[in-house]
Amino acid sequence: KAGVTQTPRYLIKTRGQQVTLSCSPISGHRSVSWYQQTPGQGLQFLFEYFSETQRNKGNFPGRFSGRQFSNSRSEMNVSTLELGDSALYLCASSVEDQGNIQYFGAGTRLSVL
Amino acid sequence: AQSVTQLDSQVPVFEEAPVELRCNYSSSVSVYLFWYVQYPNQGLQLLLKYLSGSTLVKGINGFEAEFNKSQTSFHLRKPSVHISDTAEYFCAVILTGGGNKLTFGTGTQLKVEL
Repeated sequence: KAGVTQTPRYLIKTRGQQVTLSCSPISGHRSVSWYQQTPGQGLQFLFEYFSETQRNKGNFPGRFSGRQFSNSRSEMNVSTLELGDSALYLCASSVEDQGNIQYFGAGTRLSVL
Repeated sequence: AQSVTQLDSQVPVFEEAPVELRCNYSSSVSVYLFWYVQYPNQGLQLLLKYLSGSTLVKGINGFEAEFNKSQTSFHLRKPSVHISDTAEYFCAVILTGGGNKLTFGTGTQLKVEL
């Protein structure tokens, strides 16, 4: 089985722009979660989607949004980028079973200049 | 709310020596526990998990961890490390029946030296 695929791997944007990141989960996984990783704040949960519905949300401003499609692929969008949004964005997928074990993609490295 | 504490930000160790990476958690409800490893410029790879049953769990690459409910700990151990184990290690918890929100510790950088 193919793993979790995130595209693109690297992105460079300037302040004020918006960006869309994509995540394709492992086949058969219906849950997709997004995390932000920074040196200062560590790994923080952004949101989770299951069957095209947002099921959980972390403490991030409304500039961060996401969606999930009927094939379970997910996108996250960040509008009006700020320098502090520079981070590694990780996507994870899981099946609904005991432990809801999450499998991570390689991430998208976003740099905001 | 749940939280995870990894007391050691960096752990240097010589090759073939044993290592223990410490993890303590706090939660008012039961949790599942995980250890993930992250190599440079990569995502997170699952090392091992505790869901239920035996408190000693074995994972990939020779790692194991022991769940101690009374001490709310889930320390990671390896009897003999290799250079290739150099990486950052994250302990994480998820509430049982609480969706898919993982709460991570701040990570421990394991540096294996010759």
